[in-house]
Amino acid sequence: DTGVSQNPRHKITKRGQNVTFRCDPISEHNRLYWYRQTLGQGPEFLTYFQNEAQLEKSRLLSDRFSAERPKGSFSTLEIQRTEQGDSAMYLCASSFSEGPNQPQHFGDGTRLSIL
Amino acid sequence: AQSVAQPEDQVNVAEGNPLTVKCTYSVSGNPYLFWYVQYPNRGLQFLLKYITGDNLVKGSYGFEAEFNKSQTSFHLKKPSALVSDSALYFCAVRDRGDSSASKIIFGSGTRLSIRP
Repeated sequence: DTGVSQNPRHKITKRGQNVTFRCDPISEHNRLYWYRQTLGQGPEFLTYFQNEAQLEKSRLLSDRFSAERPKGSFSTLEIQRTEQGDSAMYLCASSFSEGPNQPQHFGDGTRLSIL
Repeated sequence: AQSVAQPEDQVNVAEGNPLTVKCTYSVSGNPYLFWYVQYPNRGLQFLLKYITGDNLVKGSYGFEAEFNKSQTSFHLKKPSALVSDSALYFCAVRDRGDSSASKIIFGSGTRLSIRP
């Protein structure tokens, strides 16, 4: 399977703990995106990388959130000191960078539940 | 500011009947438009996109969408619905003149339910 892979699929943790998610994009894609999706809503953009460079971050991405893509391949999203409001599905997507009309290919997401 | 509206939270259709899922958009320039489908506990799957040219765009699984510039709409259609089409559908828009990735805006989604 050469699609976008996300791990873990589910994460349950206590409030205040740190969590880290991993995304492995489609290998030929140099753009990688992180989104957050809450129940009944569409995905909301968090951040994106072109190769290893983080080019844009949303205002939704508070200081507790950090994302990396150290070698331009897989990416990690870390949430420190988790809060109840962080409970959501975290989606990763990848695409080619040639032209803004390239569709994004999504992984199946990591569902985060904060107790 | 860019925005996407999916005015129906849910659409119910009998199997074999045509279906339409509505989407209207607002951008300052010309849009790129997309439809995605999401099945339970899965990520979004790309269905089709409008870039330029023919206003009727054909996509995966027999879906098509019609771009109407005067009505700023991009409704998703299928001539004959299948039970397996039941899922959550998202319309998305991007301003053609804006290279910022954050300006890809998704609608709130429409749940399509096809009854046998």
